[in-house]
Amino acid sequence: DIVMAQSPDSLAVSLGERATINCKSSQSVLSSSNNNNYLAWYQQKPGQPPKLLIYWASTRESGVPDRFSGSGSGTDFTLTISSLQAEDVAVYYCQEYYVTPWTFGQGTKVEI
Amino acid sequence: QLQLEESGPGLVKPSETLSLTCTVSGGSISSRSYYWGWIRQPPGKGLEWIGNIYYSGNTYYNPSHKSRVTISVDTSKNQFSLKLSSVTAADTAVYYCARHGRSSSGIPIWYFDLWGRGTLVTVSS
Repeated sequence: DIVMAQSPDSLAVSLGERATINCKSSQSVLSSSNNNNYLAWYQQKPGQPPKLLIYWASTRESGVPDRFSGSGSGTDFTLTISSLQAEDVAVYYCQEYYVTPWTFGQGTKVEI
Repeated sequence: QLQLEESGPGLVKPSETLSLTCTVSGGSISSRSYYWGWIRQPPGKGLEWIGNIYYSGNTYYNPSHKSRVTISVDTSKNQFSLKLSSVTAADTAVYYCARHGRSSSGIPIWYFDLWGRGTLVTVSS
């Protein structure tokens, strides 16, 4: 199984400031056949299911604000919230979908 | 728009079988190239993929649970189901059903683009 390790486990960011979450996979999730990184990011607010934010490491899902961006390749990835809003308080998860069983990071809690 | 909703008992006794159903509304479960999956989340913990199914009945399971898991589909009811046998307290979790993504050319992509609200299942005597 690919192990997904997120850092930090939690972070506190002031409103309007940048939040950066890291995700590292135990093996590369970059496909040599199509040059895509098989990495997604989700946001989970309390009492709600996860919501897809980003796939292919950097493609925003429809309707996701552009303050959310994803970057990285191979084994190291980053989710950035450029200007934190109150509604962004949540736990964020990365997920690899390169090889089964598809696995998630342990989550990063973002607070104000 | 398409919605998913989980249903089933909220309390299961140890050693028994957990059974949940996911009802798809606002669209057909038989839509080509969409796979449908189950994910669980123990209280206060992270997410774990359990398995998934295509409308034809083709399944993929997480090897961690493969010996205990059965996922099935009923296209006439627009539902798919999860059975997890021989449960223990470690199986206590919120269980989500979800839809996998699909490329513009109809190829399944294994992230989850649509989720149900989840249902808490507690294993306790």
